[in-house]
Amino acid sequence: EAGVVQSPRYKIIEKKQPVAFWCNPISGHNTLYWYRQNLGQGPELLIRYENEEAVDDSQLPKDRFSAERLKGVDSTLKIQPAELGDSAVYLCASSWGFNTGELFFGEGSRLTVL
Amino acid sequence: DQQVKQNSPSLSVQEGRISILNCDYTNSMFDYFLWYKKYPAEGPTFLISISSIKDKNEDGRFTVFLNKSAKHLSLHIVPSQPGDSAVYFCAAFYNTDKLIFGTGTRLQVFP
Repeated sequence: EAGVVQSPRYKIIEKKQPVAFWCNPISGHNTLYWYRQNLGQGPELLIRYENEEAVDDSQLPKDRFSAERLKGVDSTLKIQPAELGDSAVYLCASSWGFNTGELFFGEGSRLTVL
Repeated sequence: DQQVKQNSPSLSVQEGRISILNCDYTNSMFDYFLWYKKYPAEGPTFLISISSIKDKNEDGRFTVFLNKSAKHLSLHIVPSQPGDSAVYFCAAFYNTDKLIFGTGTRLQVFP
């Protein structure tokens, strides 16, 4: 069974440029998450989807970040414009529901903003 | 406000010995506690969990202990192997709403 797939693995951009990350969750997983992991820190939730609905986006900086999960499968996370402080690893995860906290993570997309 | 704390950023253990990773939390409403393992350039992978109604859960070489009165949990790895070298994240879950991660402890197992 394929795991969570993310792309791109690495992205280097200049500040004020836009960037987008894509995630394909494990087949059948209705819950999808985007996390951000800063250097030396644990992952922090940006947004959680139940099917197509964003049920928790309280930590998403809505002035520059946006996300969508069309048809309740793939998801895209966008940053526009990027700032130096956005440099981090962006992790996508999926699960069957959200009952015990067991998530399946992708390999992450490492963003460097110059 | 760091609700899940891992105060040791790193730990070095000899192969075959016991590794003990610690985690403290502040919120008494947490329902589950989990440990994730992360290798470089990979996403975290689930390792073991424990319900708040239990005080111990064992899975092969890995055992998690929960002390609710002290708001403390620990992960024991016995015996430690070089392949266990990774960053270990403690995480806590509550209200079917939030999963909060600690800052991680880097474990190095040397021969």
